[in-house]
Amino acid sequence: AQKVTQAQTEISVVEKEDVTLDCVYETRDTTYYLFWYKQPPSGELVFLIRRNSFDEQNEISGRYSWNFQKSTSSFNFTITASQVVDSAVYFCALSDLSGANNLFFGTGTRLTVIP
Amino acid sequence: DVKVTQSSRYLVKRTGEKVFLECVQDMDHENMFWYRQDPGLGLRLIYFSYDVKMKEKGDIPEGYSVSREKKERFSLILESASTNQTSMYLCASSLTGGGSYNEQFFGPGTRLTVL
Repeated sequence: AQKVTQAQTEISVVEKEDVTLDCVYETRDTTYYLFWYKQPPSGELVFLIRRNSFDEQNEISGRYSWNFQKSTSSFNFTITASQVVDSAVYFCALSDLSGANNLFFGTGTRLTVIP
Repeated sequence: DVKVTQSSRYLVKRTGEKVFLECVQDMDHENMFWYRQDPGLGLRLIYFSYDVKMKEKGDIPEGYSVSREKKERFSLILESASTNQTSMYLCASSLTGGGSYNEQFFGPGTRLTVL
């Protein structure tokens, strides 16, 4: 069965600090996909990134970067020079190949950036 | 831009009432999903549909049913609302195919309170 663990329930940082959100997953699938979503206070989940299991290259997009390591089953997300607008709940998700592009979500990490 | 809309942002119902939550997407996506989000539990899949008139149970289908009569619309039905169904309900849609596992696009959510 799929499992996604986001051990950090809440994190607070001061603006401009770097912060890393951890995501550890379990799956027996040889092919799988990992996702990160952001849920700002407005409530709507916003897609950030998708990564497939064959692509272990790290990705950088502006202040955001992702570190995918199959050896440790982790897909961590780093925000550099955090800003108040980064305050949100962040979810890591894993593909559930039972059908229809199902996703299995972690419990989320609430990030608060203090000005 | 993909747009997923939900009929209400906030809803208050009484125990025993029949409740309909409506979701509409405008991008011709095959797959649609209903989740509920509760503090500390993340997003849990209630039902999903990969085609018109098709539906599959997710992880927590008890107490819920769904209807998909048209491709763009996916309804969640609480036949007899109970207080433990007080939650945030999120609808999502995604495209099938392309040899990949496509991201889901989410609506703004409906916060349902059952008194």
